[in-house]
Amino acid sequence: QSVLTQPPSVSAAPGQKVTISCSGGRSNIGNNFVSWYQQVPGTAPKLLIFENSNRPSGIPARFSASKSGTSATLGITGLQTGDEADYYCATWDSSLSAGVFGGGTKLTVL
Amino acid sequence: QVHLQQSGPGLVKPSETLSLTCNVSSDSITNYYWSWIRQPPGKGLEWIGYIFHSGTTKYNPSLKSRVTMSLDTSKNQISLNLRSVTAADAALYYCARTYYQDWGSIEFDKWGQGTLVTVSS
Repeated sequence: QSVLTQPPSVSAAPGQKVTISCSGGRSNIGNNFVSWYQQVPGTAPKLLIFENSNRPSGIPARFSASKSGTSATLGITGLQTGDEADYYCATWDSSLSAGVFGGGTKLTVL
Repeated sequence: QVHLQQSGPGLVKPSETLSLTCNVSSDSITNYYWSWIRQPPGKGLEWIGYIFHSGTTKYNPSLKSRVTMSLDTSKNQISLNLRSVTAADAALYYCARTYYQDWGSIEFDKWGQGTLVTVSS
């Protein structure tokens, strides 16, 4: 059972937009930065978003994220078949004194 | 461009110790925190812990009693030891360069290729 809750799966058509939610509590998302990772099957995760809403160099502007209270949201616009992957949110949990991940969301581009 | 190359046995016997190494190139390990993260087959990611060049470590409470992380600055590598493994420890293990701030921020920007560890006699 993950500390952070994500929907198991989302889907949308190519060119459309999708959002992935990540829900937590005051000890994690509520008071700490959230990051997001993309994991294409068979590969290591890749950092997509850091400090709630910032994109590392090389990550397209199609990927965006926000945080409000104890929840965070990743948005992907202009969906491409190459975006099919598992997406994970992560943050620090101050009560556990540990890094925590969401359970992951599988994105299918129909 | 920093590169993380993992090595270590892919098969460990139950009750024995899992030992993995992560060699870092094109960057000094003294500049960052370094984490180990694992992923059981078909499941999500679990943070195991981090180490800083000062020797400071922090481990996931669920694994703390069995985990030791270390680093060798002369070889620019970090290591993970997980004692008394069981089938539940079978997973893909990753090392990751980590940005950590003690007020509550942890992010993993570069990852190793992953090492699949099977636990079996």
